[in-house]
Amino acid sequence: AQSVTQPDIHITVSEGASLELRCNYSYGATPYLFWYVQSPGQGLQLLLKYFSGDTLVQGIKGFEAEFKRSQSSFNLRKPSVHWSDAAEYFCAVGASNFGNEKLTFGTGTRLTIIP
Amino acid sequence: GAGVSQTPSNKVTEKGKYVELRCDPISGHTALYWYRQSLGQGPEFLIYFQGTGAADDSGLPNDRFFAVRPEGSVSTLKIQRTERGDSAVYLCASSTGTEAEQYFGPGTRLTVT
Repeated sequence: AQSVTQPDIHITVSEGASLELRCNYSYGATPYLFWYVQSPGQGLQLLLKYFSGDTLVQGIKGFEAEFKRSQSSFNLRKPSVHWSDAAEYFCAVGASNFGNEKLTFGTGTRLTIIP
Repeated sequence: GAGVSQTPSNKVTEKGKYVELRCDPISGHTALYWYRQSLGQGPEFLIYFQGTGAADDSGLPNDRFFAVRPEGSVSTLKIQRTERGDSAVYLCASSTGTEAEQYFGPGTRLTVT
């Protein structure tokens, strides 16, 4: 069974500083990995996804993530955060790329931005 | 275009009552998913439909939970004899069925008193 660990429950970053949110997964085959963002009262929005190929993937809002198979990690990064980035971030793993598999989510990391 | 919509946005019910939660997927999306998100947790999978049939219902916690999608579009999640532990945000998502990207609705917050 697949699983996702987000070791940081809450992170506080100054506006303009860089950000890295950690994600570790457990899955026996090639994983399909996602990062979603959830703002208060909003649905989950997909930031980026990794299926295959280049291990550094670019997403929306200036986010990127790097897939490292040897470390079973898919960490999310942003070089300079904005106050609007304050939200809950979820890493998720899926078993296939064919749109017919459930996603398994981590418990999330809450990001707070300070001026 | 319209995204995934869910109604109601909030539902308060008494313990033991029956509730129905509705999901309207993105037009043309053949795959539909239900997840449940408890406070401080990530979404947990409940059930997945491909067309009208439930392809995977392994996440339904017990037989009080049931979902249908009779015409392959709108889906209803039904909870019988609600319990306080059922309180959560119920999320619906849809996808094209050929791509893994799932598009989520805003959720229905269910509170069982």
